[in-house]
Amino acid sequence: QKEVEQDPGPLSVPEGAIVSLNCTYSNSAFQYFMWYRQYSRKGPELLMYTYSSGNKEDGRFTAQVDKSSKYISLFIRDSQPSDSATYLCAMSGTDSWGKLQFGAGTQVVVTP
Amino acid sequence: DSGVTQTPKHLITATGQRVTLRCSPRSGDLSVYWYQQSLDQGLQFLIQYYNGEERAKGNILERFSAQQFPDLHSELNLSSLELGDSALYFCASSVGGQGIGEQYFGPGTRLTVT
Repeated sequence: QKEVEQDPGPLSVPEGAIVSLNCTYSNSAFQYFMWYRQYSRKGPELLMYTYSSGNKEDGRFTAQVDKSSKYISLFIRDSQPSDSATYLCAMSGTDSWGKLQFGAGTQVVVTP
Repeated sequence: DSGVTQTPKHLITATGQRVTLRCSPRSGDLSVYWYQQSLDQGLQFLIQYYNGEERAKGNILERFSAQQFPDLHSELNLSSLELGDSALYFCASSVGGQGIGEQYFGPGTRLTVT
């Protein structure tokens, strides 16, 4: 079983809808949680970075972390066709801070 | 543009050969990380260097090695290449050595082994 599980999709939504993405994990040592966006096998772009549990908002993006359930989420409001990409969750923990564990990535398609 | 640069963008080589991938971190970043992304394995951590020293190691093959130079650029050496080594190789950088800070990724090097 992988340490980080993420549904690969694809997830198709109409323009303007809310995109809801999530990951589950099994390692209790994970403390830092990130969401990256990757276009067409380009370099992953950091979207959100959170520590421990709680919510963080940045523009149209909201990240949530529930450590008790080992579950993290990313919400994208007012989605645009330009949001069509693969979204990767990543996390690291006290056992090796720099070693990011990535989910498989969810492909999102926003249709006009 | 993350500020992390990688060269070359593409590499095509034959099995058994050796290649070197190069990465320059963002200005001010002391840590460099290498990742491999393949279709079946996803994005996998290989190794981290901080200010010239190895800091963390993932499932990096013995045929692969890396180093970080005094000017903080890093090189990933892949030898005795096999077809299965075909993948995207990304470099990332961060300010600190603990890896607590955000990691910023470069554009990647696409390696094709024929």
